[in-house]
Amino acid sequence: AQSVTQLGSHVSVSEGALVLLRCNYSSSVPPYLFWYVQYPNQGLQLLLKYTSAATLVKGINGFEAEFKKSETSFHLTKPSAHMSDAAEYFCAVLDSSYKLIFGSGTRLLVRP
Amino acid sequence: EPEVTQTPSHQVTQMGQEVILRCVPISNHLYFYWYRQILGQKVEFLVSFYNNEISEKSEIFDDQFSVERPDGSNFTLKIRSTKLEDSAMYFCASSKEAYEQYFGPGTRLTVT
Repeated sequence: AQSVTQLGSHVSVSEGALVLLRCNYSSSVPPYLFWYVQYPNQGLQLLLKYTSAATLVKGINGFEAEFKKSETSFHLTKPSAHMSDAAEYFCAVLDSSYKLIFGSGTRLLVRP
Repeated sequence: EPEVTQTPSHQVTQMGQEVILRCVPISNHLYFYWYRQILGQKVEFLVSFYNNEISEKSEIFDDQFSVERPDGSNFTLKIRSTKLEDSAMYFCASSKEAYEQYFGPGTRLTVT
């Protein structure tokens, strides 16, 4: 069965600093992987997705993620954090019956 | 840009009452889903729906839950007799090709 582990329930960075949110997956088949963002009191917005094409995936708002099969990882990065990036970020894997399996989420805090 | 909409945004109900949560998926999408997020916990899959029938349901989705697509645009989740533990944010999602799911803003259900 597929699963997702997000290391770090909270990550704090300074504005302008690199953002790195970690996600490791477990899947017996080539995975489809996703990052979603949830701003306070809002729904889930798709940031980016990996669907077995390019291993470096670019998403919205300057975020990108790299699929590393050898490390079973799909970490999310952004070179320079902005105050507006403060939100909760969820990594998810699509299972064989097309339902999303979510990680526990990482809350990103951006300090001025 | 088309989006998934959900009504109401917040529903308060008493234990034992029936509630219906409504969703309007993106118009040309074929796959529909309900997920929920209990406060402070991860997003969990409830049910998927395709071709006018349930494709898959989780252990959470017991006989108290039902889904329906009463017309060409709405997708509803009914909880027959609500319990305190049903209090959560309920998200509807839809997708065109089963793997890229777009989420609505959610309905916060509070059972008292």
